[in-house]
Amino acid sequence: NAGVMQNPRHLVRRRGQEARLRCSPMKGHSHVYWYRQLPEEGLKFMVYLQKENIIDESGMPKERFSAEFPKEGPSILRIQQVVRGDSAAYFCASSLPDNEQFFGPGTRLTVL
Amino acid sequence: GEDVEQSLFLSVREGDSSVINCTYTDSSSTYLYWYKQEPGAGLQLLTYIFSNMDMKQDQRLTVLLNKKDKHLSLRIADTQTGDSAIYFCAENRNRDDKIIFGKGTRLHILP
Repeated sequence: NAGVMQNPRHLVRRRGQEARLRCSPMKGHSHVYWYRQLPEEGLKFMVYLQKENIIDESGMPKERFSAEFPKEGPSILRIQQVVRGDSAAYFCASSLPDNEQFFGPGTRLTVL
Repeated sequence: GEDVEQSLFLSVREGDSSVINCTYTDSSSTYLYWYKQEPGAGLQLLTYIFSNMDMKQDQRLTVLLNKKDKHLSLRIADTQTGDSAIYFCAENRNRDDKIIFGKGTRLHILP
């Protein structure tokens, strides 16, 4: 049973471009979470999704960031018009209902 | 509000015990976690404890919880070079709720 998969593992974008980060949850997991880790910081919660629904987006910046978890396919975290401050590691986690969250290896975004 | 605090650095000699401390503010925290992160890697869940427990032991790891003081600690016995990493204290109310993380303690092993 493969773990949580994230791709790409490393992503480089220039300021103003769009970044798309993908997360494939563990098989059978219907809950997906996105966290951001700024350099030298802990992880900060961004958004919690279930299939086709956003459950909690209290940690998501109001502008430029969006997330989806469609019925089929991976969850996508989309960052429009990236700025240098978006450079971070973005981690996805997945879980079964009321169960432990399993983390992926992360996507390291660098904005030039 | 929700906040998790931990010291940023700890240096320990190989073979000694490491004790990493953490405090949290949310009295509704039910699950308290310790994660390990090696350089450039993802998060590995080391252990967790329920808020109705005061101690949990798993091989070289011992977790102590003082719920009254909202204080959590992780003891690593016989610290090895492979234990060198960043250790994150974290909590949530239910396992599928958002997890609140501390900033991490960087454990450095001295020869």
